[in-house]
This record gives sequence, C-alpha cells and structure tokens, in this order.
Amino acid sequence: QPVLTQPPSSSASPGESARLTCTLPSDINVGSYNIYWYQQKPGSPPRYLLYYYSDSDKGQGSGVPSRFSGSKDASANTGILLISGLQSEDEADYYCMIWPSNASGVFGGGTKLTVL
Amino acid sequence: EVQLVESGGGLVQPGRSLRLSCAASGFTFDDYAMHWVRQAPGKGLEWVSGISWNSGSIGYADSVKGRFTISRDNAKNSLYLQMNSLRAEDTALYYCAKDFRELPHDAFDIWGQGTMVTVSS
Repeated sequence: QPVLTQPPSSSASPGESARLTCTLPSDINVGSYNIYWYQQKPGSPPRYLLYYYSDSDKGQGSGVPSRFSGSKDASANTGILLISGLQSEDEADYYCMIWPSNASGVFGGGTKLTVL
Repeated sequence: EVQLVESGGGLVQPGRSLRLSCAASGFTFDDYAMHWVRQAPGKGLEWVSGISWNSGSIGYADSVKGRFTISRDNAKNSLYLQMNSLRAEDTALYYCAKDFRELPHDAFDIWGQGTMVTVSS
C-alpha cells in the first residue's frame, strides 16, 4: 500500500491561514483520486472534514465550516487542506486519506497543527 | 441519534485471538459500507478493513491480511472483526466507522469512540 506523506507539524497564528499538504508517491497521480481529510482532537475520534477531487467534484462534511477547503497541486502531486481564519479550536491533528484501489484505503501519517 | 458502539477489546497474549463488535443505531445499517480503523498509542490512523453493505466487497490492509476477518450481520445492525494470531504491533484503539456509501471506498462520516486492544504477555 502506498505511503502518503504529511509534514509532522505546522503552525500559524489566529486569523491566518494554514496550508496542510499530503504528498502522494510518484507512481500515483493525485489527479486521479479523491483526497479525504479528517480532523482529530486529543481524546476524541476523528471527524470527517471534506473530500476534494476537483473544483467541480468536492464535498464538505456535515457541519464543517466553509473556511475548511481542499485543493490539489498537480505539479507537486499533492493534496492540500486550507484552513482560513484560523481559530484556537482548529488546533488538532489532521489526516489525509485516499483509496488507491477499491476496498483498500490508506491514511497519511498526520500533521499536528498548532495555533500560536 | 446516530451511534456506533465498539466492544470486545482487552488484554490478550501474543498469538491469541479476539473478536471485536460494533453495534450501530440511528441509521439504516444495511445501506452502508462499514470499516475498522485503528490507532496505536501516540501514533496516526491506520485503515484496517472495510466491508460493503451486502458483504460482497471486502478489503484488508496488508498488515492484517490473512489474520483478521471482517464480517457484518445486518439483521443485528452489527459489525465484527475477528483478530487471530495477534501481535504486539496490533496494540491500538480500534474504531468502527460508517462509510458515506454502500461500497467501501468513500468518506467515514460517523465514528465510534473505539475499543482498546492490548497485545502483551
């Protein structure tokens, strides 16, 4: 199963934007996959945030604010989670996920986001 | 209220077996695929296994293939994970998660609180 690479940590100040990345291995084209994003706070199960395939094919989880959005950087073979207008409550671990084949999923290693 | 409640975790010796259960309520269980996802202490998430609404499509992570078996009983609104030949590296919090669709390759929109499995002698 492929390895999705996420930076272990990231930080930003309240009100700023945080850009979290999820890099796919070179033999898997990011353009061919939905990228799913999850948020996990300490002591709680993960929460589904959104998926992104393209600007015309994307979806937001129930109750997830619109300041969470997804995109892709095809040149870097990377999926991106953008969090705008950072709030202290956004401090959490964030995981990306793809389905490289039917009924076989893989998560990235996760990024710990600190809101300074 | 939509709810998933896992049970069956505990302390088990290496090489032994354990069966996890997940009781679903608040939604039409047999309309959706279901999954097991685990998280070792202090580590990230790992997808373990998924099963379609009718058990016709099943998948496993390479790390558990041949040792774990996922199943479901739609009449009982329940999901199961039979874990055999357990290893220390299987120690984790095991989450039950509902898929957004009937086939096991979409978002996990509902999660349980998890059941802890500790493999140790």
